[in-house]
Amino acid sequence: YELTQPISVSVALGQTARITCGGDDIGNTNVHWYQQKPGLAPVLAIYRNDNRPSGIPERFSGSNSENTATLTISRVQVEDEADYYCQVWDSEVVFGGGTKLTVL
Amino acid sequence: QVQLQESGPGLVKPSQTLSLTCAVSSGSIDSGSYYWSWIRQPAGKGLEWIGRLFSSGNTNYNPSLKSRLTISVDASKNQLSLKLTNVTAADTAVYYCAGSGKYLTHFDYWGQGILVIVSS
Repeated sequence: YELTQPISVSVALGQTARITCGGDDIGNTNVHWYQQKPGLAPVLAIYRNDNRPSGIPERFSGSNSENTATLTISRVQVEDEADYYCQVWDSEVVFGGGTKLTVL
Repeated sequence: QVQLQESGPGLVKPSQTLSLTCAVSSGSIDSGSYYWSWIRQPAGKGLEWIGRLFSSGNTNYNPSLKSRLTISVDASKNQLSLKLTNVTAADTAVYYCAGSGKYLTHFDYWGQGILVIVSS
């Protein structure tokens, strides 16, 4: 199973960023999202499509339908600049290739 | 709050065996409450799942690594271990241990990672 993410997304400070994760019929499985800043381990940002762990700002949200899952970050802040990975379970753990979010 | 800490040699010679351990704090590693995984990340690249140990003791490995891989637990030390045989430069990466709740497929807990370089 393959997950496809854009290599990079750029967004102006305070605007909304949308990072997509494409997969065949991905809407029928749970998608999780991780944020990774340079030199640090990934941090769970969204689990089971649209759930935020404690400590993750409400600006982070997720959706999943048909062949695309989306991580949405509203009112983007400088500290949101990071790499983002989607992940599913399909008899094994599968990660997307990652998207570098740049805040302009 | 579960905390994970990887340890092991930072340099391994080609064709040798890479051995890492992951110390688990705040709870028993074999309590049955968690699944434990190893994940790696080559420099500048994405995340690659290596394998998972279920609370039953069963394992699930990345097919591309399965023939060289052993993941096990040492309950007496509350540690997870990884052994990867016959390594090459392609196995150079930061290795993370990670934990997920039983029956869950996302990783709530991550170690800080350990860089392993395969080089003669």
